[in-house]
Amino acid sequence: NAGVTQTPKFRVLKTGQSMTLLCAQDMNHEYMYWYRQDPGMGLRLIHYSVGEGTTAKGEVPDGYNVSRLKKQNFLLGLESAAPSQTSVYFCASSKTDRTKQYFGPGTRLTVT
Amino acid sequence: GESVGLHLPTLSVQEGDNSIINCAYSNSASDYFIWYKQESGKGPQFIIDIRSNMDKRQGQRVTVLLNKTVKHLSLQIAATQPGDSAVYFCAENAADNKFYFGSGTKLNVKP
Repeated sequence: NAGVTQTPKFRVLKTGQSMTLLCAQDMNHEYMYWYRQDPGMGLRLIHYSVGEGTTAKGEVPDGYNVSRLKKQNFLLGLESAAPSQTSVYFCASSKTDRTKQYFGPGTRLTVT
Repeated sequence: GESVGLHLPTLSVQEGDNSIINCAYSNSASDYFIWYKQESGKGPQFIIDIRSNMDKRQGQRVTVLLNKTVKHLSLQIAATQPGDSAVYFCAENAADNKFYFGSGTKLNVKP
């Protein structure tokens, strides 16, 4: 059981470039989430999904898109990266919205 | 307690002492709460949760207390160990499919 995995672990982008972060979970969870964490701050929800084929906006969705084509995968896309998107990105999954979330190890993204 | 900003509040305790980390939550409709531990360079790790129909819940060496009247949550760690050094977050859920996280408290355990 790998739990929640994220790829890549680190990435450096130039302003305007695009990239996709991949999250995978092997716990058959319905709910998946993408968060960003900035220095000295708590996690902020970007987008989430309540099941395969569904996505919804969180607190800070601007500049990001997501897709949940398969139940086990949740992709986060940056179409045109900006320095303000420099952050650590965490993916999480949970059985329902009222149970604990399991987090991945994070992706450290730097946009120059 | 927790606050928003670049500088995390820090709690320093001696190894073997008990630690109490506090959290003030914002939404009176929140009815499910979780405490997470985050070690440097890692993702948050579940510690304990509590639902609003309870005031107290105990785990292994940890206890969470919930005071709905003043919207306050606390995490007590008994016999704190060096391995407990980390940032601790509380998260609240108000039945809208989302969790809202506090900014965290850094626990520093002195040997």
